[in-house]
Amino acid sequence: DIQLTQSPSFLSASVGDRVTISCRASQGIASYLAWYQQKPGKAPNLLIYASSTLQSGVPSRFSGSGFGTEFTLTISSLQPEDFATYYCQQLYTFSITFGQGTRLEIK
Amino acid sequence: QVQLVESGGDVVHPGGSLRLSCAASGFTFNTFGMHWVRQAPGKGLEWVAFMHSGGHKIFYVEAVKGRFTISRDNSINTLYLQMNSLTPDDTAVYYCVKDRSPLVSWSDYFGFWGQGTLVTVSS
Repeated sequence: DIQLTQSPSFLSASVGDRVTISCRASQGIASYLAWYQQKPGKAPNLLIYASSTLQSGVPSRFSGSGFGTEFTLTISSLQPEDFATYYCQQLYTFSITFGQGTRLEIK
Repeated sequence: QVQLVESGGDVVHPGGSLRLSCAASGFTFNTFGMHWVRQAPGKGLEWVAFMHSGGHKIFYVEAVKGRFTISRDNSINTLYLQMNSLTPDDTAVYYCVKDRSPLVSWSDYFGFWGQGTLVTVSS
């Protein structure tokens, strides 16, 4: 299985900050990567797919980039509603895997 | 609007069985691939199983192969997950998930999630 390693696992930031979360794949996955946001007690929500395509309805402060084994999710200016846990996911193989998650908390 | 409503979660003893259901509405069910994803308490997301829109392609995570069976009834817009030989490691919230786009060759990204149903395996 392809392993996805996110860094950091925990991030403390302030409203208005620019934050970046990384996701490293154990082997090349081209652009078959997505990012999801999950708030406590809620189901996850798709933010970015195909590495850099913004899902409809997602604010433009979210952006994604990367190819192969290195990917990033960037939030350009944190809003109060962005404090949540973020997961990357790969669809390159028939065994879909997620990263372990990055918990983003208010400083 | 799209709705996915899971049901069937319960407390079950180790070695027991359970069948989860997911009632879908608001979209053309028989054109979308569907998944089950689980999340153990306080843990991350784990993809469990996938069934293509027509039912011809099915995949499972290694941990459930031979124990879980995904199926769908396109005539009543319902997805199922039959779970046998349950262990405490199967304790989780189980989410029913719809592909983002219809009629893709295998799986698309996870476009919509139900609210989940809790399965607890405990003696």
